[in-house]
Amino acid sequence: EAQVTQNPRYLITVTGKKLTVTCSQNMNHEYMSWYRQDPGLGLRQIYYSMNVEVTDKGDVPEGYKVSRKEKRNFPLILESPSPNQTSLYFCASSWTASNQPQHFGDGTRLSIL
Amino acid sequence: QKEVEQNSGPLSVPEGAIASLNCTYSDRGSQSFFWYRQYSGKSPELIMFIYSNGDKEDGRFTAQLNKASQYVSLLIRDSQPSDSATYLCAVRPLNAGKSTFGDGTTLTVKP
Repeated sequence: EAQVTQNPRYLITVTGKKLTVTCSQNMNHEYMSWYRQDPGLGLRQIYYSMNVEVTDKGDVPEGYKVSRKEKRNFPLILESPSPNQTSLYFCASSWTASNQPQHFGDGTRLSIL
Repeated sequence: QKEVEQNSGPLSVPEGAIASLNCTYSDRGSQSFFWYRQYSGKSPELIMFIYSNGDKEDGRFTAQLNKASQYVSLLIRDSQPSDSATYLCAVRPLNAGKSTFGDGTTLTVKP
């Protein structure tokens, strides 16, 4: 089954404790992206990757890091989480960066206390 | 001005009516336009995409694009209670990684 898998689905943690949210896709997509969704603010792009070893900032990259060492994986790293990073996070992928719809993971709800 | 703006909701229509969702965008370099549906607590799922000016129909859904006016819309005919969700408009430029979403319009279809 074609899918984008995120882990964990839910996480409650404390300020400053490094965490990683994993994202993996099995569709051989070149493009992957991370979004956060806050009430009334739609989806805001954090980082995206056009292909392996190619990443770039989205609209809200502060406080986040990413890497793309393999085509299928695109982890999101919060090195020193803060309460303002409490949000619902989605990973998405598509064949290319151009006119392709994105497939979304089920989301990760992060709470930073 | 936001890059992608959707008509403010919530929008409520009776069952069987036509629901009209609108979206305007500011970047004239935008090439691809998408409508996603998101049920509460779930991930967005693709409803329609459109690249060329005009109308594109898929079942009860019609997407309309007017690049000169920088406007894209989604019409839902014969609305059903199961269509009740938040609809997100997304815009992508050609061959670039940025993808911009509107804030969403919440639709309620009343039986």
